[in-house]
Amino acid sequence: NAGVTQTPKFQVLKTGQSMTLQCAQDMNHEYMSWYRQDPGMGLRLIHYSVGAGITDQGEVPNGYNVSRSTTEDFPLRLLSAAPSQTSVYFCASSYRVTSGIKEQFFGPGTRLTVL
Amino acid sequence: DQQVKQNSPSLSVQEGRISILNCDYTNSMFDYFLWYKKYPAEGPTFLISISSIKDKNEDGRFTVFLNKSAKHLSLHIVPSQPGDSAVYFCAASEMEGSGNTGKLIFGQGTTLQVKP
Repeated sequence: NAGVTQTPKFQVLKTGQSMTLQCAQDMNHEYMSWYRQDPGMGLRLIHYSVGAGITDQGEVPNGYNVSRSTTEDFPLRLLSAAPSQTSVYFCASSYRVTSGIKEQFFGPGTRLTVL
Repeated sequence: DQQVKQNSPSLSVQEGRISILNCDYTNSMFDYFLWYKKYPAEGPTFLISISSIKDKNEDGRFTVFLNKSAKHLSLHIVPSQPGDSAVYFCAASEMEGSGNTGKLIFGQGTTLQVKP
């Protein structure tokens, strides 16, 4: 198993550009999520999905869109990049556990710089 | 509104001694708590967890303690090793159901340095 994969590893954008961060998992996990990590802020939830066709907003959803057309893929779209979106982005997945510990598996991250 | 807080940004301990990392939360609906470890340029990896029906969970050198009345949990590492140097995040979630999706909320992280 490759686990959770993210592409690209690094990206530099200009303000106003759009791009899609890719995330894929091969563990047949129902639950997938996107986080951003900023100094002193920890990991903040952007969007999440409990299954194909179902998405919802997390703590900091503004400026980001997601879709979940398949169980394996959960892309994150930046429609018009802003310097405030400079961050490290992590995708994570887990089984959808209705009662119990939901251990999430994380990808290696995408480091995004918006100039 | 930070629901999960790690008030110590950093901690330095000597090899062989105990490391204690603390975490506080405000949401009384949280049922599950997890600790993650993160090395530079890597994604976080799961370390240990605890359910709210327990007050202690142990896994080798790692023990997590939960004090529900104080809304406080801590991670103890004994003995600490230089390879434990990393950023540690605590996370909490509500049980899925009743409108909750079980999403994880993370704290800000504590950077642990274990000196040889």
